[in-house]
Amino acid sequence: GAVVSQHPSRVICKSGTSVKIECRSLDFQATTMFWYRQFPKQSLMLMATSNEGSKATYEQGVEKDKFLINHASLTLSTLTVTSAHPEDSSFYICSARDLGEPNYGYTFGSGTRLTVV
Amino acid sequence: AQKVTQAQTEISVVEKEDVTLDCVYETRDTTYYLFWYKQPPSGELVFLIRRNSFDEQNEISGRYSWNFQKSTSSFNFTITASQVVDSAVYFCALSEKWAGGGNKLTFGTGTQLKVEL
Repeated sequence: GAVVSQHPSRVICKSGTSVKIECRSLDFQATTMFWYRQFPKQSLMLMATSNEGSKATYEQGVEKDKFLINHASLTLSTLTVTSAHPEDSSFYICSARDLGEPNYGYTFGSGTRLTVV
Repeated sequence: AQKVTQAQTEISVVEKEDVTLDCVYETRDTTYYLFWYKQPPSGELVFLIRRNSFDEQNEISGRYSWNFQKSTSSFNFTITASQVVDSAVYFCALSEKWAGGGNKLTFGTGTQLKVEL
């Protein structure tokens, strides 16, 4: 079945630095990838939808300049948290779409737990 | 706008009890998809089931069963003879349409299930 690899699984960074999270579709081409954010004991909130070769579509309230998304190829999307602050600490999870999958395309990565100190 | 409500924040049961997790959704569309995901403490999302809006047949998979009722906009999930390994957060999610792009999952707030010995 479709596999989405997300790295790193955990990252601790200092306030003010930037962190890049990678999301790769390993055995299928993903024209669309989704980035979610999840605070402790809360639901997954969609941050943005990225389409290969075009600009990402951000959800209302998500800062485009803070959360840079690049989807340069059909198998890779990256989320860069720029100038991270402690309030950016969260669980970030990506999803890639593979129409051939029984879950109808929504295959999730294993998530990245970001801690900003 | 689509919306998913999981009114039960947390449920505790004793092993071998049956438990039902409720999910109520709102959508203006006639074509949509409903999902259930399991999120264990490790964080990854485990796909459990997908249902399209034209298929109201209930489904059973081992100890899991799902009851989809369009009349009440509900898609409830029952675990029979619960086990400690079932302890996790369970999310119900809704995706409207399946057009060429722009679809996204809307998640409920999740139900934390604790199964104790």
